[in-house]
Amino acid sequence: SYELIQPLSVSVALGQTARITCGGNNIGSKSVHWYQQKPGQAPVPVISRDTNRPSGIPERFSDSNSGNTATLTIRRAQAGDEADYYCQVWDSSTVVFGGGTKLTVL
Amino acid sequence: EIHLLESGGGLAQPGGSLRLSCAASGYTFSSYAMSWVRQAPGKGLEWVSGISGSGGSTYYADSVKGQFTISRDNSKNTLYLQMNSLRAEDTAVYYCAKEPNTGSYFDYWGQGTLVTVSS
Repeated sequence: SYELIQPLSVSVALGQTARITCGGNNIGSKSVHWYQQKPGQAPVPVISRDTNRPSGIPERFSDSNSGNTATLTIRRAQAGDEADYYCQVWDSSTVVFGGGTKLTVL
Repeated sequence: EIHLLESGGGLAQPGGSLRLSCAASGYTFSSYAMSWVRQAPGKGLEWVSGISGSGGSTYYADSVKGQFTISRDNSKNTLYLQMNSLRAEDTAVYYCAKEPNTGSYFDYWGQGTLVTVSS
């Protein structure tokens, strides 16, 4: 079955750029979607290949995808960006999530 | 405004059954595929099952195939998940989620319902 690999944690200084990776076999050929989840809350989509940034998501959030790695980039990181982030793809009529990355804003 | 509200969670005995419901409002329910996604305590997201807008196509994760059944009643704007032969590892918050397009992402999520499997 298809697997998505994310780092367990990423730290970023306030105002700097955070990059969260999502690795998968030839993931560049797939549409990768990203979610933000804060403690006790449901996930919220932050990047979708279908709509880019869903309504209300700031332009600070962007993504790239090539080869075996997709990347979520968060520019000018804010304290409110501290959360868990998950990547997601479809593979053979099933949904696959990455294991999640905890973003800490220092 | 789109709302998804899960219910039916609670404590179940190992080997027992539960049926989860997800009541949808604010959009044409029958036009969109839906899924169930779960999250074990302190763990990541795990997709469980999906169903097309008409209900004619269903999909399952290998971990629940033959154990869980997804269905929907478009006349009641409600999604269901019948969970049988429950095991401790099925303990999780279960979310229902809407897809804007089949095979896409999940644009709306419910707040989740907690299922605890324990004796």
